[in-house]
Amino acid sequence: DAKTTQPNSMESNEEEPVHLPCNHSTISGTDYIHWYRQLPSQGPEYVIHGLTSNVNNRMASLAIAEDRKSSTLILHRATLRDAAVYYCILRVEKLTFGTGTRLTIIP
Amino acid sequence: ETGVTQSPTHLIKTRGQQVTLRCSSQSGHNTVSWYQQALGQGPQFIFQYYREEENGRGNFPPRFSGLQFPNYSSELNVNALELDDSALYLCASSLPLGEQFFGPGTRLTVL
Repeated sequence: DAKTTQPNSMESNEEEPVHLPCNHSTISGTDYIHWYRQLPSQGPEYVIHGLTSNVNNRMASLAIAEDRKSSTLILHRATLRDAAVYYCILRVEKLTFGTGTRLTIIP
Repeated sequence: ETGVTQSPTHLIKTRGQQVTLRCSSQSGHNTVSWYQQALGQGPQFIFQYYREEENGRGNFPPRFSGLQFPNYSSELNVNALELDDSALYLCASSLPLGEQFFGPGTRLTVL
């Protein structure tokens, strides 16, 4: 499986945008980029996914580099409820989670 | 629409025992995946079932086995429990290749 690299942790102030980076230099042409997040004491939840084009949904935006070797999850206005571990994943039928980025939101 | 549910919430077993964990899929989903999450780590894929057949397996020994029933609910069985099996066990239901919906997990402690 293609591997992803994410920072271990990030902090952001409440109500400000958050940019969570992910490197995936060995991505194959058919790998979709998926983001899941895991809130404390809960199972992971789907956030967004994309292949080549930037994607938006009600939760977040996904910006994908032109060479697809990196991507950025954008939370437009972070709230305390967005504090979670965010996982960037390249497979869909079998999700291969890394250790993710622990996002802390500062009130 | 009922989400993914798992039972029990917590479980304590001793080394060498056997355990069965249960998962009810979200309505309409025919695929279920099981994951093991050790403390401080991301979930690790155990196996996936599609229409009652195993459809992929991660790097787990044969003492981890599963079943999927005609109503798409599922069981994870672990035999000969070891201390390292202590973890949060997550199931996720989906349509094939679709977004996975996770349950809250079962916390297993092996003493």
